[in-house]
Amino acid sequence: DVKVTQSSRYLVKRTGEKVFLECVQDMDHENMFWYRQDPGLGLRLIYFSYDVKMKEKGDIPEGYSVSREKKERFSLILESASTNQTSMYLCASSNYYEQYFGPGTRLTVT
Amino acid sequence: ELKVEQNPLFLSMQEGKNYTIYCNYSTTSDRLYWYRQDPGKSLESLFVLLSNGAVKQEGRLMASLDTKARLSTLHITAAVHDLSATYFCAVDAPNQSRDDKIIFGKGTRLHILP
Repeated sequence: DVKVTQSSRYLVKRTGEKVFLECVQDMDHENMFWYRQDPGLGLRLIYFSYDVKMKEKGDIPEGYSVSREKKERFSLILESASTNQTSMYLCASSNYYEQYFGPGTRLTVT
Repeated sequence: ELKVEQNPLFLSMQEGKNYTIYCNYSTTSDRLYWYRQDPGKSLESLFVLLSNGAVKQEGRLMASLDTKARLSTLHITAAVHDLSATYFCAVDAPNQSRDDKIIFGKGTRLHILP
C-alpha cells in the first residue's frame, strides 16, 4: 500500500513564526503536492514538485515556499505564519495514475 | 482555465434512498477521480475513470463518465449511514507535461439520516 505520512496531525503556532510541514512518501513517486483545504473552498493547490529540487507554483503560493531535497520528502514552509494560514494542509504523491493523500495537518495560527 | 463544479454541495437524505451527485468540468480531460473524505480525515480514492462511458461500482456507489458531456455522476443506491462523508470529484488539468496536477471540485457533503 502507498503510504504518505505528514509530520504532525495538529499544530499550533504564533503569528510570525516560521513553520515547517513535512511530507514523506514511500512509493518512489516523482510527483508530490501540497494543498490547503478550507470550508466552502475545497482543496486548493499551493505548490507541487515533479522531481527532486524541482517545484512549481500552484494556485495559491503566496506566503509559502517548498523544498524537495530528496525524492521521498516534500516540505512546505510558512516563512512568517499569519492567522489567515490557519487551515488543514494535505500532502499528496502521485504515480501518474492517481494521487494518494496523507492524513493532513491541521494548523492553527494564533 | 479548467473548472470543476459539483452539485449539490450539501445533501441530506434518508437511509434506503437513492441519489446522484453530479460533477461537471469545463474543458476536455483524460481522467476523472472520485474521492471520499470523512470528517477530520484525509482523502480516500474511490474511483478513477479513464474513458468515455466508463462505469465503476464499489458496493452501493457507482461512478460513470461521459466525456462528451464533460459530466460524471456518483450514484448512491439504498444509502446507509456509513456513507455519510464529503465526496470530491477531480479532473486532470489539461496540457500536462511532467506534472500530474488535478483540479478538485468543492465537494459534496452527504449526510445520511438513520
